[in-house]
Amino acid sequence: DAKTTQPPSMDCAEGRAANLPCNHSTISGNEYVYWYRQIHSQGPQYIIHGLKNNETNEMASLIITEDRKSSTLILPHATLRDTAVYYCIVRVQNSGGSNYKLTFGKGTLLTVNP
Amino acid sequence: DTGVSQNPRHKITKRGQNVTFRCDPISEHNRLYWYRQTLGQGPEFLTYFQNEAQLEKSRLLSDRFSAERPKGSFSTLEIQRTEQGDSAMYLCASSPAQRSSTDTQYFGPGTRLTVL
Repeated sequence: DAKTTQPPSMDCAEGRAANLPCNHSTISGNEYVYWYRQIHSQGPQYIIHGLKNNETNEMASLIITEDRKSSTLILPHATLRDTAVYYCIVRVQNSGGSNYKLTFGKGTLLTVNP
Repeated sequence: DTGVSQNPRHKITKRGQNVTFRCDPISEHNRLYWYRQTLGQGPEFLTYFQNEAQLEKSRLLSDRFSAERPKGSFSTLEIQRTEQGDSAMYLCASSPAQRSSTDTQYFGPGTRLTVL
């Protein structure tokens, strides 16, 4: 799986949008971008994933650049409960093969301030 | 709550003792994964099951570690002769393994092991 690069930490004011960047310059054409987050002492929580197009769900939006070498996770109105470590992971789509495991980096610690 | 449950949530043991953790995946999820997470690091893959078959083991999984999924439902992870270096959060995840999906993994709350 391609390596990702994320800033170690970011701050955001409560109620404002949080924009978390991720670089994945060696991503392959069949690799998806996944985002998970981990609140302190809990298991990772799936947020969103995408291949080429921008995606939105009830938790967040994912913006992927046209060349797919970077992406941004957007939390539109951050709350204190969004304080967590956010992981960006690239992974091949399930094909019944061996590309099943998630390779986590150190992620970005997002701190939402009141 | 993702539907993946793990027990116990916390375990404190003395060095040299054996411990066993249990994971109950989301119903009808065919794939089950174990990860380990030490302080300040992201989770690291340990092993993976497709139904009852253990298809991959990481080099992190020493011979003191054994995992089973006897009926393709719940799984257990046993650590024999625990060492202080085994202290970590042990995470379980499951996924549906449907070819039509991207097979998203959903994690449980983890079991935190402390070896004294």
